[in-house]
Amino acid sequence: DTAVSQTPKYLVTQMGNDKSIKCEQNLGHDTMYWYKQDSKKFLKIMFSYNNKELIINETVPNRFSPKSPDKAHLNLHINSLELGDSAVYFCASSQELVGSSYEQYFGPGTRLTVT
Amino acid sequence: AQKITQTQPGMFVQEKEAVTLDCTYDTSDPSYGLFWYKQPSSGEMIFLIYQGSYDQQNATEGRYSLNFQKARKSANLVISASQLGDSAMYFCAMRGTYFNKFYFGSGTKLNVKP
Repeated sequence: DTAVSQTPKYLVTQMGNDKSIKCEQNLGHDTMYWYKQDSKKFLKIMFSYNNKELIINETVPNRFSPKSPDKAHLNLHINSLELGDSAVYFCASSQELVGSSYEQYFGPGTRLTVT
Repeated sequence: AQKITQTQPGMFVQEKEAVTLDCTYDTSDPSYGLFWYKQPSSGEMIFLIYQGSYDQQNATEGRYSLNFQKARKSANLVISASQLGDSAMYFCAMRGTYFNKFYFGSGTKLNVKP
């Protein structure tokens, strides 16, 4: 009964490859996010979807493409992987309800290593 | 622009003592939310506590309390009676009024000594 799940947990791949990370939440939330955590532990938002609509699209290389087939799922596809893409990628979700605290619940993270 | 600052990259505390982790923020939004998350060595991000900018009282959740000083733009996390399992990275985060974007601080690594 995991609230926010991600697959895979670990991903090791070579430069130039294309890979995808999947995220699912069963909290009934309407908003989902992708974050990147670098080696210095700095967390930066990449994308956010609200009810399948892209609402936050930070300055991220266009090799990264998110896709939300429904409000419970958010996938991240990365083309032509580079060494600098090595990081932990977190999915998160929240409910955008006026008056709520909007806390985000995070998935376990996907550690991507590009060799 | 929104900004979160955590000035303590690392801290030590003796088991059973209280510890304060500092967080200051900068925003011009009329209302905002402040959050603390814990990231143990296993890597997951765990939501700890929330404070709304209009909340009159400081938030508390078990051994966690948030010392909110609006005029000073600070939102320090206080952990009472530290336990070994509190050893982790702690992140302060803020959400502004108009966007559902969280801004995270750089984190504080807390080590609890037996």
